[in-house]
Amino acid sequence: NAGVTQTPKFQVLKTGQSMTLQCAQDMNHNSMYWYRQDPGMGLRLIYYSASEGTTDKGEVPNGYNVSRLNKREFSLRLESAAPSQTSVYFCASRENSPLHFGNGTRLTVT
Amino acid sequence: DQQVKQNSPSLSVQEGRISILNCDYTNSMFDYFLWYKKYPAEGPTFLISISSIKDKNEDGRFTVFLNKSAKHLSLHIVPSQPGDSAVYFCAASPLGANSKLTFGKGITLSVRP
Repeated sequence: NAGVTQTPKFQVLKTGQSMTLQCAQDMNHNSMYWYRQDPGMGLRLIYYSASEGTTDKGEVPNGYNVSRLNKREFSLRLESAAPSQTSVYFCASRENSPLHFGNGTRLTVT
Repeated sequence: DQQVKQNSPSLSVQEGRISILNCDYTNSMFDYFLWYKKYPAEGPTFLISISSIKDKNEDGRFTVFLNKSAKHLSLHIVPSQPGDSAVYFCAASPLGANSKLTFGKGITLSVRP
């Protein structure tokens, strides 16, 4: 039972490049979330998916898109990366429980 | 507008003593409160929670106190251990099984041996 798995663990992008952050959970949770963590800013919600087939914007959605591919997988896409998107990204899931987090993807945009 | 505030960025305590981490909130719709602990290079892990119908919840060395009239909660760790050194996030949400959580900025706790 791996919980929430995020790939990759680290990534460096140049400004304007695109990439997709992958997240998968094996706990059969309906709800999945993407957060970013920045120094002095805590955890801020980017997008979430309350159930398969639905997605909604969180607090800081600009510059991101998401896909809830199936119940297990929820991906986050940066179409044109900017230095302001340098951050640590956490995926999480829940089902009538506290959030379960993955170990994060550290993204640097130069 | 920051709805969950952790105004102290860091706290240092001696091993064996009490650690008290504070959190304030502004949204009166919040009814469920949680503390998460985060070690470097790992994701946050759930520590303890409390709903608004209670004013205290205890789990081993960890106790969370809620003062709803003051919109204030605190996490007490007794006794503190070096392994407790981590970043602690306070989070809150309205009632509802899968309501969105709002997090504070976190407090870095250092427990000195």
